[in-house]
Amino acid sequence: GIQVEQSPPDLILQEGANSTLRCNFSDSVNNLQWFHQNPWGQLINLFYIPSGTKQNGRLSATTVATERYSLLYISSSQTTDSGVYFCAGATDSWGKLQFGAGTQVVVTP
Amino acid sequence: GAVVSQHPSWVICKSGTSVKIECRSLDFQATTMFWYRQFPKQSLMLMATSNEGSKATYEQGVEKDKFLINHASLTLSTLTVTSAHPEDSSFYICSAKTGARVIYEQYFGPGTRLTVT
Repeated sequence: GIQVEQSPPDLILQEGANSTLRCNFSDSVNNLQWFHQNPWGQLINLFYIPSGTKQNGRLSATTVATERYSLLYISSSQTTDSGVYFCAGATDSWGKLQFGAGTQVVVTP
Repeated sequence: GAVVSQHPSWVICKSGTSVKIECRSLDFQATTMFWYRQFPKQSLMLMATSNEGSKATYEQGVEKDKFLINHASLTLSTLTVTSAHPEDSSFYICSAKTGARVIYEQYFGPGTRLTVT
């Protein structure tokens, strides 16, 4: 299966700061999603972004499919942004997602 | 839209018993559902893929006789952990998408925390 590398593994931010999370894939993917896992374990869909750029409020994401990486931008971070951010990609026709190890984000007031 | 529910949210059972976890898509038809498990401080690991009306396919290393998956309808998949042991204690999460061999966004349930004593 594909390898999914996320960086950084941990991120501590002051409220209001901006940050970039990165996801590298060992092979081309036909599905790519970003998630936020809240403290109760629920995975929240942030972006479905196999290619291109999308924005949703203070979050945006860019996937460069030809170079096999994706970036998640958090602007003006808030304490509610704390949690683990996962990226996941699929290479098969079923869409089976392979997850990265995640980035643990802590936003301090 | 695109809501997936799981029941129960948490369960405690004794070693040797079986536990059934339900995954439902509430507002769409889930042709394909996936089951994952997550250990503390770790990422999600795919266990199996289930399609409505057909047998589940399991990832390498996952015991199909231990983790029974049934996808009886377009809105319901169940995972039964048979003869559970303490090492089966984990967070089990399902996801669902429309279409079988098509690439669509997956939506995840809230998870079920299983503790085997």
